[in-house]
Amino acid sequence: DAKTTQPPSMDCAEGRAANLPCNHSTISGNEYVYWYRQIHSQGPQYIIHGLKNNETNEMASLIITEDRKSSTLILPHATLRDTAVYYCIASFQYNNNDMRFGAGTRLTVKP
Amino acid sequence: EPEVTQTPSHQVTQMGQEVILRCVPISNHLYFYWYRQILGQKVEFLVSFYNNEISEKSEIFDDQFSVERPDGSNFTLKIRSTKLEDSAMYFCASSESSGGSIRDTGELFFGEGSRLTVL
Repeated sequence: DAKTTQPPSMDCAEGRAANLPCNHSTISGNEYVYWYRQIHSQGPQYIIHGLKNNETNEMASLIITEDRKSSTLILPHATLRDTAVYYCIASFQYNNNDMRFGAGTRLTVKP
Repeated sequence: EPEVTQTPSHQVTQMGQEVILRCVPISNHLYFYWYRQILGQKVEFLVSFYNNEISEKSEIFDDQFSVERPDGSNFTLKIRSTKLEDSAMYFCASSESSGGSIRDTGELFFGEGSRLTVL
């Protein structure tokens, strides 16, 4: 699986969009970009994933650059409950049986 | 909403003792995983399990660890002879599939974890 790099921490004001970047410059053509988050010490929670196109669901949007070397997770209206560690993971398309988490970005949403 | 449940939520044991952590995955899921997280560190993959056998395992998953699906609902992690460094939160996860398309997320559903403290 390709290595990803994320900033260790970010702050965001409540109600504003939170934009979390991720670099995955060595990603291969058949690796998806997954995002998970971990609130406090709970189990990680799936947010979204994508391959080439931008994706949106009820939780977030995922913007992937055309060269696929980086992506941005967007939480459109961050709330205090979005404070968490966010993990960007590049995982082989047909086998995410060993999905590996990095250090992630600790997002703090401030009132 | 279906969820992954883990027991016990917290276990304290003496070094050298055997520990079994239990998980009940979501009922129609086919893939099962164990991860661990040492306090203040990242979530680490241990093992994945499909069709009654290990699919992948990490370098952490050595001979002191074993997994089993003893019946149709439980998935267990056994640590044979615990060491101080095994103290961690252990997360079980399950997924319906292993992914493969935008529609097929291969999403991992995690339990709330079992905190293991080895003294």
